[in-house]
Amino acid sequence: GQNIDQPTEMTATEGAIVQINCTYQTSGFNGLFWYQQHAGEAPTFLSYNVLDGLEEKGRFSSFLSRSKGYSYLLLKELQMKDSASYLCAVRVDRGSTLGRLYFGRGTQLTVWP
Amino acid sequence: GAGVSQSPSNKVTEKGKDVELRCDPISGHTALYWYRQSLGQGLEFLIYFQGNSAPDKSGLPSDRFSAERTGGSVSTLTIQRTQQEDSAVYLCASSLGPGSTDTQYFGPGTRLTVL
Repeated sequence: GQNIDQPTEMTATEGAIVQINCTYQTSGFNGLFWYQQHAGEAPTFLSYNVLDGLEEKGRFSSFLSRSKGYSYLLLKELQMKDSASYLCAVRVDRGSTLGRLYFGRGTQLTVWP
Repeated sequence: GAGVSQSPSNKVTEKGKDVELRCDPISGHTALYWYRQSLGQGLEFLIYFQGNSAPDKSGLPSDRFSAERTGGSVSTLTIQRTQQEDSAVYLCASSLGPGSTDTQYFGPGTRLTVL
């Protein structure tokens, strides 16, 4: 199976920077996704990494190291609306199964004023 | 529509009854996924349809669960003889397919409550 680990909870204050880590162990790795999920809502796509390095998109950046099985999501200039669960998901292409995502349990981020 | 739609948004049923949940994927998306999410838990994969290929049913928790996808578009997830442990939010997602970045876009979900 796949082992995808991320912290259960994190807290930060408005305006700060927070880094949410995700580690994974899997064969057939072909990309890592980050999703944001507000309470009672569906997950929404944030970022995708398949090559090593940093992808920046506004206040959010995502980093991947394939050799270390490690990714992080960096959120800058935190706002109250960033309080949500952040899901790390690994894409696995193996045998006849292509494109399947395996999700971590999510990191519940609370932003305090 | 522009996004994935699901119906109903909420479903309350009695233990032992059958339920059908519907998903309309984004037009042109060949891949369709069903997940369920229990309170405070991560997403649990249920089933995956890709084009005309046989579906990947490896995540279905029991033979009470089944799904079909008609005409490569709309999908229906059926749960027979519902149990209280089936209570969860059932999420559907669609994507362009494995030849692309294959980002999955989620519908709003169906909240199923089994009394």
